[in-house]
Amino acid sequence: AQSVAQPEDQVNVAEGNPLTVKCTYSVSGNPYLFWYVQYPNRGLQFLLKYITGDNLVKGSYGFEAEFNKSQTSFHLKKPSALVSDSALYFCAVTYTGTASKLTFGTGTRLQVTL
Amino acid sequence: ETGVTQSPTHLIKTRGQQVTLRCSSQSGHNTVSWYQQALGQGPQFIFQYYREEENGRGNFPPRFSGLQFPNYSSELNVNALELDDSALYLCASSSGTSGVRQETQYFGPGTRLLVL
Repeated sequence: AQSVAQPEDQVNVAEGNPLTVKCTYSVSGNPYLFWYVQYPNRGLQFLLKYITGDNLVKGSYGFEAEFNKSQTSFHLKKPSALVSDSALYFCAVTYTGTASKLTFGTGTRLQVTL
Repeated sequence: ETGVTQSPTHLIKTRGQQVTLRCSSQSGHNTVSWYQQALGQGPQFIFQYYREEENGRGNFPPRFSGLQFPNYSSELNVNALELDDSALYLCASSSGTSGVRQETQYFGPGTRLLVL
C-alpha cells in the first residue's frame, strides 16, 4: 500500500520569505513523487515531479522540491513567497505496479500575507 | 491551462439517480484517470483507462463505471447515487504506454456533483 502525509493543514508565510510545505510518503518500491497546486474552483495544476536522478527538482513558478530517501520526504520549497502563491498544495505518490494510480495527501493550505 | 476539458461544470442530482460525467483528454494523450475529491480531502483514485480498456481501479463500488472512446475521451457513470457521492470529480490525462508509471497526469477543472 502507498500513502502520503502532509502534516500541516496550513502554512502561513510573509511575502518575500522562504516557504516550505512538508510531505512524507510510504511505498513498497521506488517512489515517483509529484506536487500539484489547486486554486479555488479549479482543478489541479502540475508543479513538479521526482522520478529518478538529482534529488533537487525544479518546477514551475520558482518552486522546487527535495527528495530525501532516508527520511522518505519530498518537501516543497520556494526561496521567496508571493501573495499569488496562496493556494492548496497536494503531494502525491505512485510507484511501479499501480497503473499510475496517484495517492494524494490531504493537502496543505498556503497563506502568503503582505 | 492543460487542454483537459470536463462537462458539465456543476450538477445537482437526487439520491438514487444516475449521472454521466464527460472528459476530453489533452491532445496526444491516450490514458485517462478519474478521481473523486470530497470536500476538504485529497483526490481519491477511482479508475484509469488506457486505449479503451480499464487499467486499474481504486476502492470504489461497481456502481462507479467508465468508458473510454477511440478518440480517448472518457465517461464516468455513477448509478444509484448516494449522498456521499457529492464531490468534485476530476479527470486527468497522460501519455505513454501501459506500465509507464511516471507519466505526468494533467487534470481538468472538474465537475462538482451535489446529491440531495
